[in-house]
Amino acid sequence: SQKIEQNSEALNIQEGKTATLTCNYTNYSPAYLQWYRQDPGRGPVFLLLIRENEKEKRKERLKVTFDTTLKQSLFHITASQPADSATYLCALDIRRGTYKYIFGTGTRLKVLA
Amino acid sequence: GAGVSQSPSNKVTEKGKDVELRCDPISGHTALYWYRQRLGQGLEFLIYFQGNSAPDKSGLPSDRFSAERTGESVSTLTIQRTQQEDSAVYLCASSSGPGGTQYFGPGTRLLVL
Repeated sequence: SQKIEQNSEALNIQEGKTATLTCNYTNYSPAYLQWYRQDPGRGPVFLLLIRENEKEKRKERLKVTFDTTLKQSLFHITASQPADSATYLCALDIRRGTYKYIFGTGTRLKVLA
Repeated sequence: GAGVSQSPSNKVTEKGKDVELRCDPISGHTALYWYRQRLGQGLEFLIYFQGNSAPDKSGLPSDRFSAERTGESVSTLTIQRTQQEDSAVYLCASSSGPGGTQYFGPGTRLLVL
């Protein structure tokens, strides 16, 4: 069956450093991979989408990579700030080209001032 | 409205009662999703609707759970004979196309006593 893994342990980093979060998947060939941010008590908010034929996507301080050989996506936040503290979720389309996605369990990031 | 709305925002019920949760998606979005998120856990896919196609109900945990959608608008998630393990946040999201961003509502926090 399809499986998505994200670091279940919280990630603590110092302000100004680069945070790197990992999303690994098995038994998939997704066409799209998305990253979302979730704050406590709120619904997830979309951050970035990367397609299977894209190696890297950037948006301001955010960078996502997508390695379909390793079946892995890395999510980077450069010059991290305490306001970046949240849970970050990756999501993949469960069948190529469909609307249906499944989500990883998320990684909690805490940026220390 | 501009975003996905859900009602009620909070619901407390007694074990054995039925509950109905409502989702109003973004106008024009053909895909609508329901997820469940238990405290400290990731998103658990429940059901998704795409246009006039038969819904994908593969994530519904038991026959006590059902959902309907009227055309491409409002959806209702019904939980019959609620159990304490049904306590969670129920999130609704809508999307405009394959690979598209999912826009989430604020969720309904359900507590079954």
